[in-house]
Amino acid sequence: AQTVTQSQPEMSVQEAETVTLSCTYDTSENNYYLFWYKQPPSRQMILVIRQEAYKQQNATENRFSVNFQKAAKSFSLKISDSQLGDTAMYFCAFSFSGAGSYQLTFGKGTKLSVIP
Amino acid sequence: DSGVTQTPKHLITATGQRVTLRCSPRSGDLSVYWYQQSLDQGLQFLIQYYNGEERAKGNILERFSAQQFPDLHSELNLSSLELGDSALYFCASSVWGGYNEQFFGPGTRLTVL
Repeated sequence: AQTVTQSQPEMSVQEAETVTLSCTYDTSENNYYLFWYKQPPSRQMILVIRQEAYKQQNATENRFSVNFQKAAKSFSLKISDSQLGDTAMYFCAFSFSGAGSYQLTFGKGTKLSVIP
Repeated sequence: DSGVTQTPKHLITATGQRVTLRCSPRSGDLSVYWYQQSLDQGLQFLIQYYNGEERAKGNILERFSAQQFPDLHSELNLSSLELGDSALYFCASSVWGGYNEQFFGPGTRLTVL
């Protein structure tokens, strides 16, 4: 079974600073996908960034980037120039084509607060 | 707006009752996933349908069932409700095949009193 661990239940960062959220996962699969989802107080789940395991290059989306270490099974999210709107729960998620399904397995989440 | 719609937004009911949650996927998406988010269990996968057929089951209770209709909308039926079923229920949809990205609906907040 696949597991996803987020070891930081809560974090805070000053506005305009950089913060890194950690995520580790456990799997015996070789081809899979990793995601970071953001859940603001509105409760909407919003995809922040995604990474295909077969790609060595780390994904970036504007101020968001990941550090994907396949051998270490680590997938951290870096948020640069933090903004107040980044305040949210962040979930790391894992997906692979097991038995024909790409269901997501989520970590417990990290609550990020951006301080003015 | 993800393009996925869920109704109702909120549902308050009593223990022992039965409710139906509805989901309409994005146009063109054939796959629908249901997830439950609770304080105790976090975000958990319940069940997936693809083009009308059940594709995968996760931690779904026997009291819960789902189906996907020919127009691709899906319904999640929860029966004999217990206090512990109170949660946020998300529907997500995706295009099958190749790279998978799931788009989430706004969720249905279920409160069992």
